[in-house]
Parts: sequence; structure tokens; C-alpha cells
Amino acid sequence: GENVEQHPSTLSVQEGDSAVIKCTYSDSASNYFPWYKQELGKRPQLIIDIRSNVGEKKDQRIAVTLNKTAKHFSLHITETQPEDSAVYFCAASKENTGNQFYFGTGTSLTVIP
Amino acid sequence: KAGVTQTPRYLIKTRGQQVTLSCSPISGHRSVSWYQQTPGQGLQFLFEYFSETQRNKGNFPGRFSGRQFSNSRSEMNVSTLELGDSALYLCASSSLAGTGELFFGEGSRLTVL
Repeated sequence: GENVEQHPSTLSVQEGDSAVIKCTYSDSASNYFPWYKQELGKRPQLIIDIRSNVGEKKDQRIAVTLNKTAKHFSLHITETQPEDSAVYFCAASKENTGNQFYFGTGTSLTVIP
Repeated sequence: KAGVTQTPRYLIKTRGQQVTLSCSPISGHRSVSWYQQTPGQGLQFLFEYFSETQRNKGNFPGRFSGRQFSNSRSEMNVSTLELGDSALYLCASSSLAGTGELFFGEGSRLTVL
């Protein structure tokens, strides 16, 4: 089955700096890669996603890049703010498997004011 | 639109007992999946139901089971509880048949003593 690895497990940045979280996947058939944000005590929520026919996607301060050849994808957060502090999970899925997702182990991001 | 609702939110059981968790998806969502969240392990896929049929099953022992009703509500059952079953159990619903956004509930936190 698919194996998704996520690094780093913890990340601290100064407010205004950028943060990058990286994930690798093992199954070359995976073609959908969402990122979820989970604030302390809250439910995970989708913040951005990318499909394999696209190399990069941006939404304001958040961007995701995908390298299919290397089988890795990354989340980039620019101009970080304290409210960005949360645990971020990457995930991978593929067509014809319903909504079965393989999640990374999470990155705890702390933005220091 | 009401979000995904999970009950109970917290429960404490002892080893050997069984537990049933309930999930009401967003109205109109036919896909319901279950994930186990533990510190350091991220979210691990348990199973997914779509239109009352189990479509996918993760790598969990047979003590973990589930079902979905005609109104898309879902239940999961864990029999013969073990200490290692202590976790946050998250339910997620989706409007798409596959590779769609997951809308998570707040989870049921199970503690096994």
C-alpha cells in the first residue's frame, strides 16, 4: 500500500518568515494530494490540495508544489502569522479507491510572535 | 448546513469491553470514512462506507468493524478493547465518490483503562 512520510515533525518560525513542510509518497499511482490543518482541540480542515496534472497551486499565502518524478510534494506558507500555528497533515489518494487517504504523521508548526 | 457530528465525544472503557461510536455526516454526503488519530502516528484509515457498502478497509484487526445506514449515518464498533485502542476516532464525510475533500467531525476520544 501507499506510504506517506512527512518532515519535519516540528517546526518553529518567527512571525513573518516562511515555513516549508515536505512529504514523500511511495505509490506512483497516487494522484490527489490534500493538506489539512488541525488547530489544537479542533477538527482537521482542508487548506489546499493539488492533483497530479498540476505542478503548483497557490491560494494567498499558501502554496503547494508537486514533483511526480521524485514523488514528493511540499506545503509553503509565506508571511507566517500566529494563527498559522497548528498541526499540518499531508495526504495522498488515488482514483478508484474511493475516499481512502494515506496521511503523513503531521508537522506541528509554531509561529513565534 | 450542519457539520459532521460524532457521539459520544469522550468515553472511558476498560480492557475487554466493546464500544460503539456514531457519526452523522453532512446532509447529502454519502461517503463516510473513519480514521484513528494517535500522537506520532497521524491519521490512520480504518474504513470507508458509501451508500451502505464498505468500499475500503485499512490495516486494522477484525475487532474494528463498521456499518452505514440508509440515511448515511455510520457507526463503528471496537470489540475486546485493548489499551492500544486509546485514541481519537475521527469520522469524515465527503460529497464525492472519490478523491474529494473530507469534512471531519470533532472526534470521539476513547480511553481504555
